Amino acid sequence: QVQLVQSGAEVKKPGSSVKVSCKASGGTFSSYAISWVRQAPGQGLEWMGGIIPIFGTANYAQKFQGRVTITTDESTSTAYMELSSLRSEDTAVYYCARVGEEMATISHFDYWGQGTLVTVSS
Amino acid sequence: EIVLTQSPGTLSLSPGERATLSCRASQSVSSSYLAWYQQKPGQAPRLLIYGASSRATGIPDRFSGSGSGTDFTLTISRLEPEDFAVYYCQQYGSSTGTFGQGTKVEIK
Repeated sequence: QVQLVQSGAEVKKPGSSVKVSCKASGGTFSSYAISWVRQAPGQGLEWMGGIIPIFGTANYAQKFQGRVTITTDESTSTAYMELSSLRSEDTAVYYCARVGEEMATISHFDYWGQGTLVTVSS
Repeated sequence: EIVLTQSPGTLSLSPGERATLSCRASQSVSSSYLAWYQQKPGQAPRLLIYGASSRATGIPDRFSGSGSGTDFTLTISRLEPEDFAVYYCQQYGSSTGTFGQGTKVEIK
């Protein structure tokens, strides 16, 4: 059974950066893309970008291009999402999610992390 | 970018009733790459349907998906108390994975 365990809640100042981790266990890590999806308070889901670990090249939603960096460390089966130039509107729960199709850049998400609350406040 | 519009925004129904949720895409979703998720407060989303009509592992058969092109439907044949939640559609036919804005199914 695949499990995705994310790092803990963060409080950040506007203009700073945050890096959230997502450690996978069970299943194969390298050939299944990990995406990051965020959810602002009381709002819907927003796809930010994703990466297939074995290829190491991420693709990002246009909205986040230049501000988000998604990486992986295959040695520890961990994915990372770093978001820079934080503003109050970035306050949200950030989820990592694994696609359900091997070697697919994007697909449906069959496993999700528990979510990490990032609060941006001065 | 493909935009997904879900309707209605809120559906007020009683347990045992049938729920029909709609998801309309701004352009055709290739190969019916459309998924549905259920989300309850404080929880991560849960995959219900993928490929427009395939049920995910462990999902009861009261949940069914249909549609193609730009119009997709999630049907819950008889609402159980645990089905009251928010439902999202997601397309993955392009290189990005956009979501609809969600439909809340609430107890009438």
